[in-house]
Parts: sequence; structure tokens; C-alpha cells
Amino acid sequence: QQQVKQSPQSLIVQKGGIPIINCAYENTAFDYFPWYQQFPGKGPALLIAIRPDVSEKKEGRFTISFNKSAKQFSLHIMDSQPGDSATYFCAASKHRDDKIIFGKGTRLHILP
Amino acid sequence: EAQVTQNPRYLITVTGKKLTVTCSQNMNHEYMSWYRQDPGLGLRQIYYSMNVEVTDKGDVPEGYKVSRKEKRNFPLILESPSPNQTSLYFCASSPGGGPSTYNEQFFGPGTRLTVL
Repeated sequence: QQQVKQSPQSLIVQKGGIPIINCAYENTAFDYFPWYQQFPGKGPALLIAIRPDVSEKKEGRFTISFNKSAKQFSLHIMDSQPGDSATYFCAASKHRDDKIIFGKGTRLHILP
Repeated sequence: EAQVTQNPRYLITVTGKKLTVTCSQNMNHEYMSWYRQDPGLGLRQIYYSMNVEVTDKGDVPEGYKVSRKEKRNFPLILESPSPNQTSLYFCASSPGGGPSTYNEQFFGPGTRLTVL
């Protein structure tokens, strides 16, 4: 019940395409869903985060869609660029709980 | 520059030889955490600390120890390393209560550990 299931494991998209990465969770107590981006040789860095009081959040070319009833959330990257090639992790946590659960990651490659 | 630093960045050791990976942050963050990253398994939390002298287990604490004697430092100790602890380790820090208060975590550059 504490898992966050992320798919796909890897993804290859042409430049300009819209890669979509999906995550699903079981614990309905989760109320904070961040996405982290990790470039090779670097630590992860926060990309965008959402709380379940909204169904969508957009920051630049990155959008999180959130479906509370389905217990799913996804990351969309509009007009993807080769510089977006990285590993993306979704995560979930809940208020007053000090732990955070990460998905297993998606390795994204954007072809020039 | 606000940052989380880890040392060493790379370490090759042998089974049973005690080692410490240091982590330091200069952002006056209360929350600090250690993760390991393994192919196909993503990021898994080892230990975390809400503040000085307050530490707790994450999902994979076996074989690891931590301490938090100062706010800025959170070392990870492997008393008797084994080959299954070969991994990429990340330290992170966060203001306030960390994930429990919806705060961003700032990650260090990672330490690649190989245990032979």
C-alpha cells in the first residue's frame, strides 16, 4: 500500500513529441506528489509537484495531470527537447509523515 | 552557494571494512535523508533525520547507521559493508519537516560505492 508504481521504465521520443510518464499509488492518504528530474552523474532535482486539490499543474513545458479517483498522476512534457533526456522519478508523501516513497524511475531519451 | 556536499564521491572497499560517507548542507535545513539508487529499483530511503539528535529508519535501514550531532552534518556509516551494499548513495536536505510539510528536497551529487 506504500508503493508508487511508475511506467514506462524507459521511453524514446522524437524531438517535439509529448512523452508521458505515469504513476499509480494505493494509499489514499498520500497528499503530495512531486516529480524529480535526474541528469547523468547528478543528484535528482525537483521539477514540479502537485497536491490533490487540483487536477492539473503546469510549469513551462511540464504538466502534471492528477486523477484522484483513479489514484494516478502523470507527467507530460510538451515540445520535448534533447536536453530533457534524463531519468524522471515520481514520488508520494503524506502530511505529517516524514517518509517519501519514490517510483522506480523512467529513463527518457529525446531524439534530435 | 547553497548546496549539499558528499564525500567521497567514489569509493571502492572490501567486505567488512568500516566506512563513513559524509554529508553536509549549508542551507540550515532541519530535515536530512539518505537514499540508495539501484538499477530497476529507483530511490529507496535508508534513514532520515528531522533535526539534531532525531533520526529514524526509512525503508531499507539494515546494515546502515546514521548520526545527527550537528544540524549541517548527517554521516552514513557502514559498520561491516557487504557486496549487496554496492550502490549509488544520495544525501538530501529539506527545510522544515521535509516531505511531511510539502518541502522540496535538495540532493547531493552522489557517492558511488563498490564493496568487493
